[in-house]
Amino acid sequence: QVQLQESGPGLVKPSETLSLTCTVSGGSISTFHWSWIRQPPGKGLEWIGYIYYSGSANYNPSLKSRVTILVDTSKNQFSLNLSSVTAADTAVYYCARAIYGSGTTYFDYWGQGILVTVSS
Amino acid sequence: SYELTQPPSVSVSPGQTASITCSGDKLGDKYVCWYQQRPGQSPVLVIHQDAKRPSGIPERFSGSNSGNTATLTISGTQAMDEADYYCQAWDSSTAQFGGGTKLTVL
Repeated sequence: QVQLQESGPGLVKPSETLSLTCTVSGGSISTFHWSWIRQPPGKGLEWIGYIYYSGSANYNPSLKSRVTILVDTSKNQFSLNLSSVTAADTAVYYCARAIYGSGTTYFDYWGQGILVTVSS
Repeated sequence: SYELTQPPSVSVSPGQTASITCSGDKLGDKYVCWYQQRPGQSPVLVIHQDAKRPSGIPERFSGSNSGNTATLTISGTQAMDEADYYCQAWDSSTAQFGGGTKLTVL
């Protein structure tokens, strides 16, 4: 059974960079695509981007200028960096496994989520 | 960007059938999946590729997609099905989520 666990600071100051790590257990990261998704308090889900184990990444155009997703296959981890954060970036951040195929991508395993608050 | 529209809320009596819709331009030409999110929990995939149920998802969950509308149907709805439901599609190399529907079982 694949399990994902987010980790990182729960509080980030405005204008700084939000950095999170997702550790994958129960399976190798060297298969599938791996994604970050966020959910502001009381609101819906927003896809941030995904990365393949080879390092190839794809980002939501609305966040592309501020987002970097990296993978470390030796640690079975992938990470999220979101720069120049504002209060609007306050959300629960989820990491998830993405099933990527012809005409479809969906998320079959999710982490428990981590609340990140942007505040001074 | 591509937009998916869901009704904010749907109510159903226990044992009855609940239908949750998701609308988008030519949505029937795309694959749709559905997630269930109970309060305080992570989303759970309940339907993918329009109508496929992942292992462990009860048979009472089914999906369809045609024209501009995809539908998640829950037959014999139980109290434990009360949750938020999100549709999701893939368009222009981007995952798009609907705004979510709160299903109330009363």
